[in-house]
Amino acid sequence: KQEVTQIPAALSVPEGENLVLNCSFTDSAIYNLQWFRQDPGKGLTSLLLIQSSQREQTSGRLNASLDKSSGRSTLYIAASQPGDSATYLCAAHNYGQNFVFGPGTRLSVLP
Amino acid sequence: EPEVTQTPSHQVTQMGQEVILRCVPISNHLYFYWYRQILGQKVEFLVSFYNNEISEKSEIFDDQFSVERPDGSNFTLKIRSTKLEDSAMYFCASSDGTRPYEQYFGPGTRLTVT
Repeated sequence: KQEVTQIPAALSVPEGENLVLNCSFTDSAIYNLQWFRQDPGKGLTSLLLIQSSQREQTSGRLNASLDKSSGRSTLYIAASQPGDSATYLCAAHNYGQNFVFGPGTRLSVLP
Repeated sequence: EPEVTQTPSHQVTQMGQEVILRCVPISNHLYFYWYRQILGQKVEFLVSFYNNEISEKSEIFDDQFSVERPDGSNFTLKIRSTKLEDSAMYFCASSDGTRPYEQYFGPGTRLTVT
C-alpha cells in the first residue's frame, strides 16, 4: 500500500529565499506524481505533474523533480514571495490505484 | 479553460440527515472521483467511477455513501444518514483517462454536520 510523507511539516522563510519541499513515497510503481497548493479552507490548485518517465518539470519559479528509484520528489521554489504562503501537497498516482496524498508542508514566506 | 465545478460550496446539515453533493466534471472526461479532507488531516480517496459503475472504493466508502451520474453532466455523492465525523471538505475530480492520467479537482464542498 502506498504511503506518502512530506518533510518538513512546516517551514517559515524570509521573502526572496529559495526553498525545497520534500516528498517521499514507498511504492515506486507510479503513473505520475502531482504537486498541489492549498490555501486555508480552499480547494486544490494543481502546480506541476511529473510523469513516471520524466525526471523534472518546471513552471515559472517552480521546479519539481522525481527520483522513482529512491521514492522521492522535491519541489523547488525560487525567489519566494509572501503570496507563496500556503500548504503544498504531493500526491502519488499508482498503477491500478488512485491518488495517495501526503500530509502537506505548510509554508510561510515572511515579508 | 474547462474546470470542475461543485455545489454547494458549503452545506450545513443535522446528524442523521441525507445530503447530496454535486459535481460537474469537465465535459469530455470519463473518469470521476470523490476525495475528502477532514480538517487538519490528509486528503483521502473515497471512490472512483467509470462507465456508470464504481471502479474502486476505499474503506471509508461504506454503505452510507453512494455515487451516481444522473445525467450526462452531473456526478453526485450521497451520504444517507450523516454523522458528526462526516464533517469534512469533499473534493470531486475528473480525468480523461489518457496519459499522464492527470486528475482535475473542483473547489470542494465544505460539509458541516451538527
